[in-house]
Amino acid sequence: DGGITQSPKYLFRKEGQNVTLSCEQNLNHDAMYWYRQDPGQGLRLIYYSQIVNDFQKGDIAEGYSVSREKKESFPLTVTSAQKNPTAFYLCASSLDPNSYEQYFGPGTRLTVT
Amino acid sequence: KNQVEQSPQSLIILEGKNCTLQCNYTVSPFSNLRWYKQDTGRGPVSLTIMTFSENTKSNGRYTATLDADTKQSSLHITASQLSDSASYICVVSAMFSGGYNKLIFGAGTRLAVHP
Repeated sequence: DGGITQSPKYLFRKEGQNVTLSCEQNLNHDAMYWYRQDPGQGLRLIYYSQIVNDFQKGDIAEGYSVSREKKESFPLTVTSAQKNPTAFYLCASSLDPNSYEQYFGPGTRLTVT
Repeated sequence: KNQVEQSPQSLIILEGKNCTLQCNYTVSPFSNLRWYKQDTGRGPVSLTIMTFSENTKSNGRYTATLDADTKQSSLHITASQLSDSASYICVVSAMFSGGYNKLIFGAGTRLAVHP
């Protein structure tokens, strides 16, 4: 998992509530990413940030929001607008956006009932 | 459409046996291909990464091959161990204008090694 931490490991929420997932890295990486993983599917990109105070939508950004106020932190908020939020969420970072290598955190499993 | 397809979806082998996992891709413009190992409930960890000009790369008991002409890759695991039980994910990278490196993930092959 390198120097990327995600918390909490398991998260339970009621439908209609917003929830924020934490991602912190001490690798001094410029770029950070959020992915969603569902059974039988490949990871899908939600949002990415190439540098502090900048972020871009990925393939499935609807119902999610992010911020990048500090280099080491990239929190993801799952809003009530996300129709199917139950999933395994993975945060990753890379030295820069052009880097081959992305390092993944341990993930957060979110269950919404 | 950029896609990565892996087969088989799942595989059970006995400890000590060898196995080969397959990955076919239709990704353009191709930058590199990597294999990740993901233990249940954990984040993926990189095993190998290959660029267009490389056709084989090893990492201990793991050997990856790449045929850029047929757009196929394989991951061969030798003398399997119980700790090899995991999902193996093929990831192809496309380099777009501006230098942004987009990753396209396969759904993974779930490997179970039994004693």
